[in-house]
Amino acid sequence: DAKTTQPPSMDCAEGRAANLPCNHSTISGNEYVYWYRQIHSQGPQYIIHGLKNNETNEMASLIITEDRKSSTLILPHATLRDTAVYYCIVRVMGMRFGAGTRLTVKP
Amino acid sequence: DTGVSQDPRHKITKRGQNVTFRCDPISEHNRLYWYRQTLGQGPEFLTYFQNEAQLEKSRLLSDRFSAERPKGSFSTLEIQRTEQGDSAMYLCASSLEASETYEQYFGPGTRLTVT
Repeated sequence: DAKTTQPPSMDCAEGRAANLPCNHSTISGNEYVYWYRQIHSQGPQYIIHGLKNNETNEMASLIITEDRKSSTLILPHATLRDTAVYYCIVRVMGMRFGAGTRLTVKP
Repeated sequence: DTGVSQDPRHKITKRGQNVTFRCDPISEHNRLYWYRQTLGQGPEFLTYFQNEAQLEKSRLLSDRFSAERPKGSFSTLEIQRTEQGDSAMYLCASSLEASETYEQYFGPGTRLTVT
């Protein structure tokens, strides 16, 4: 299984963009990159996914490098409610979550 | 509400007792997943079903754990002879089979405490 590496924690000022990196150097050609987040005491919530091209939805943008070995999740205008643990995953069936990045948005 | 639901939300049991959790997926979703999450860790995959067939089981799913999805709708996860190490949040998720993507929707979880 492709493994992912994320920084354990990050801070971001409210209203600024939060850029969360993820390394997945062993990703296979047909594996998607998924991002989920988990707010305290809740189940994980889907954010976005991508294969090769950059993706954007109402929650975030996903930038995938051309060699697909890393990606960045961008929350364009972080709010206090975006404080959560963010997981980058490359296995689809029976997702293998790592420890994720704990993002703290500060006023 | 048409999201994934889990019952009970909390369960306290004594070591050695059996417990059973239920998960009701989103109605049109044919895939159902079970995960376990301990404090400070990400969710760990346990098993998944496509309709009523159990297609994959993690090595974390010991002989004391059994999951069923008899009619391809709701699922149950039973833990026999519970141990203190089984204390965790048990999460259920569901997804709709699709050609390319398998976005999973998670329930609120069942928090198990074994005393």
